[in-house]
Amino acid sequence: KAGVTQTPRYLIKTRGQQVTLSCSPISGHRSVSWYQQTPGQGLQFLFEYFSETQRNKGNFPGRFSGRQFSNSRSEMNVSTLELGDSALYLCASSWTGEVYGYTFGSGTRLTVV
Amino acid sequence: AQRVTQPEKLLSVFKGAPVELKCNYSYSGSPELFWYVQYSRQRLQLLLRHISRESIKGFTADLNKGETSFHLKKPFAQEEDSAMYYCALSGTGGGNKLTFGTGTQLKVEL
Repeated sequence: KAGVTQTPRYLIKTRGQQVTLSCSPISGHRSVSWYQQTPGQGLQFLFEYFSETQRNKGNFPGRFSGRQFSNSRSEMNVSTLELGDSALYLCASSWTGEVYGYTFGSGTRLTVV
Repeated sequence: AQRVTQPEKLLSVFKGAPVELKCNYSYSGSPELFWYVQYSRQRLQLLLRHISRESIKGFTADLNKGETSFHLKKPFAQEEDSAMYYCALSGTGGGNKLTFGTGTQLKVEL
């Protein structure tokens, strides 16, 4: 079966712009979680969606938002980009949202210049 | 607040030598602990979880609640073990988010 697909793989944006990243989960998985990975902070939880509802949110500013569609695909949006938003953004899908069931995607590498 | 600490950024060992990757955590309840691994150019994947008490690829990890540790061990390192290892924690019952440590790069030298 197809794995977790994240698009695009790479992005370069300018400070102040906004960006939308996409995550298609494994078929049948209803939970999608997002993580930010940076050299300084490591992997940090952004938010989790289950059946189109945000169930949990990490400590990130309101510029970071997300949503989930009825087919479980999820998007995250970052507005007013800052240099510090440069990171690898990973999504993970699972059947029910339990972390031991996570399958991670390859990530989207965002560079803000 | 929950926190995971991996004190070593890089651990270099020779093939056949024992490996121990350290992980300490801070959590007020009963956490569930995991080790994730990321091989070069591959996705992050679950290596093992404390609740299953299994040995995966020769690796084991025991949860020590007294010392709040979950160190990853392997008696004889193999070249293919070279990878980035992350210790992670989730709240009681598994929950739906992970708190990761900053990771330890394991390099197995011939």
